[in-house]
Amino acid sequence: AQSVAQPEDQVNVAEGNPLTVKCTYSVSGNPYLFWYVQYPNRGLQFLLKYITGDNLVKGSYGFEAEFNKSQTSFHLKKPSALVSDSALYFCAVRPFTSGTYKYIFGTGTRLKVLA
Amino acid sequence: NAGVTQTPKFRILKIGQSMTLQCAQDMNHNYMYWYRQDPGMGLKLIYYSVGAGITDKGEVPNGYNVSRSTTEDFPLRLELAAPSQTSVYFCASSYGTSGSGVDEQFFGPGTRLTVL
Repeated sequence: AQSVAQPEDQVNVAEGNPLTVKCTYSVSGNPYLFWYVQYPNRGLQFLLKYITGDNLVKGSYGFEAEFNKSQTSFHLKKPSALVSDSALYFCAVRPFTSGTYKYIFGTGTRLKVLA
Repeated sequence: NAGVTQTPKFRILKIGQSMTLQCAQDMNHNYMYWYRQDPGMGLKLIYYSVGAGITDKGEVPNGYNVSRSTTEDFPLRLELAAPSQTSVYFCASSYGTSGSGVDEQFFGPGTRLTVL
């Protein structure tokens, strides 16, 4: 079965420190990969995506993500965390399958940046 | 552009009642989706549509119905509300595929539904 795993329910990091939010996936073929952020009582907002090309993808608000095909991972990173980065982060994958328009979401990781 | 709009923001239903969650987008997106978000469970796809007149089931379609008569609107219907349908519902839309590849989804603000 195709799936996305976010192994950490919560990640705590001190302000100014680098952060990593992990995501691994299990799909057939080459996937399209996404990260979204959700602030309290809001819908999800797009951060970045990997379609093809460079394994390091840069996105909004200083976030970046590294695609690793051999490890089937797409970890979200930021060099210096801000308190305002505290939110719920979702990894999503859309399998590269003809006729498939569905996105599979992970269960989310709550990021808490401590002042 | 208003983006993706959803109404109502909140609703409390009694068991057995019916209601329609409204979703509209003004970005001329072909693809539209309904998800439910339960605590600790991520997002589950209920139904999706790839264009006006075309809909298909997602992971958890039981107890729901949809229609897509226009590009802009994608309402979700609950016919006989049950406590298991207590959740936060999100509508999303996307172009699908474009010259840049696969496109990201744009989400509405959500509808918080409680069934008692």
